[in-house]
Amino acid sequence: GDSVTQMEGPVTLSEEAFLTINCTYTATGYPSLFWYVQYPGEGLQLLLKATKADDKGSNKGFEATYRKETTSFHLEKGSVQVSDSAVYFCALIVTGANNLFFGTGTRLTVIP
Amino acid sequence: DAGVTQSPTHLIKTRGQQVTLRCSPKSGHDTVSWYQQALGQGPQFIFQYYEEEERQRGNFPDRFSGHQFPNYSSELNVNALLLGDSALYLCASSLGPGLAINTQYFGPGTRLTVL
Repeated sequence: GDSVTQMEGPVTLSEEAFLTINCTYTATGYPSLFWYVQYPGEGLQLLLKATKADDKGSNKGFEATYRKETTSFHLEKGSVQVSDSAVYFCALIVTGANNLFFGTGTRLTVIP
Repeated sequence: DAGVTQSPTHLIKTRGQQVTLRCSPKSGHDTVSWYQQALGQGPQFIFQYYEEEERQRGNFPDRFSGHQFPNYSSELNVNALLLGDSALYLCASSLGPGLAINTQYFGPGTRLTVL
């Protein structure tokens, strides 16, 4: 079945460190891939997405590239800030379906 | 422009009771999806409503039911509550049901505790 596997957390980084959160997927067909972020006390927000192989999604300094050959969609940021502290969820939707499959989430804490 | 709103914020029920959660979609959106997020887990899809009909359903028992009203708002009903139903229930809205194209906007959720 369709699923998403995310890097176990929590992740603690110092400000300005490089961030990678790994995400791999299993899907029938050709999925669209997403990263959502959940800030403390807030709802989920779409961070970025990619709809086909080799697409790169980017937003707020975060990037992720849809790698079909490795079935991966790793999230990266070159220099994290304290304000990036949140829970990050990788998700997919299979073409023709109307529901998102989410990973278990990775909690990121950035310390000054 | 109001985003997705949910009520109530928190709710405490006992086993066997029934509960109704409410969601108002973002202005201009016509599609509502519901998710269950257990503590420490990612959200799991319950169902989606479009044009007042259930369009797709996840792997949840019939105790979970819903409704969409003509103004696009939606309710989630859970009957015969179990301890395992304790979770954060998220509502998300979009313009149209095709989520590969249409971005979903999530509400802050309703925290349900079953004792």
